[in-house]
Amino acid sequence: RKEVEQDPGPFNVPEGATVAFNCTYSNSASQSFFWYRQDCRKEPKLLMSVYSSGNEDGRFTAQLNRASQYISLLIRDSKLSDSATYLCVVNANTDKLIFGTGTRLQVFP
Amino acid sequence: ETGVTQTPRHLVMGMTNKKSLKCEQHLGHNAMYWYKQSAKKPLELMFVYNFKEQTENNSVPSRFSPECPNSSHLFLHLHTLQPEDSALYLCASSQYRGTTEAFFGQGTRLTVV
Repeated sequence: RKEVEQDPGPFNVPEGATVAFNCTYSNSASQSFFWYRQDCRKEPKLLMSVYSSGNEDGRFTAQLNRASQYISLLIRDSKLSDSATYLCVVNANTDKLIFGTGTRLQVFP
Repeated sequence: ETGVTQTPRHLVMGMTNKKSLKCEQHLGHNAMYWYKQSAKKPLELMFVYNFKEQTENNSVPSRFSPECPNSSHLFLHLHTLQPEDSALYLCASSQYRGTTEAFFGQGTRLTVV
């Protein structure tokens, strides 16, 4: 089983739609979780950290489910500018961050 | 404007060349990383430095040689690379290794010919 697993997509959604991505992780001892966004041929940038209680930042909501070992990202009212690859990131053994392959989102007019 | 800067942004080198990638972070972080990103693959962690000490070498071939002279600078020395080493090489830093978010430089796109 991969340490961090994501559906590669692409998810093609119209503007204004709500879209959700899930990410599963294998190490039950993982403590830190993040969502990053990566635009084509650019570096990954932190979108948001994922807290145990869940957290929201504008149109973006992140959730953590420790029992099932997955995190999720919900994007409401999608914008064209949300088109990117979303990377799930989990720490391993408190020493390094493990990146998923990413889920590609394409928002169309 | 980024807190982590990498040079050069693009590099084309022959298999017999020696070159170096440079990374500098202006964030006061204690940990620095080299990642490799190839097409259709997740980011692969190569090296981790924590307080200038190398704490991780993720089975990287010896043709890649890191150097961390201080907590703000990180180098990746390259020699006798193979065409399959062509990729985007990303430097990142974090306040503490592993448990805090990492901030990335813009990367060096390397092509080995």
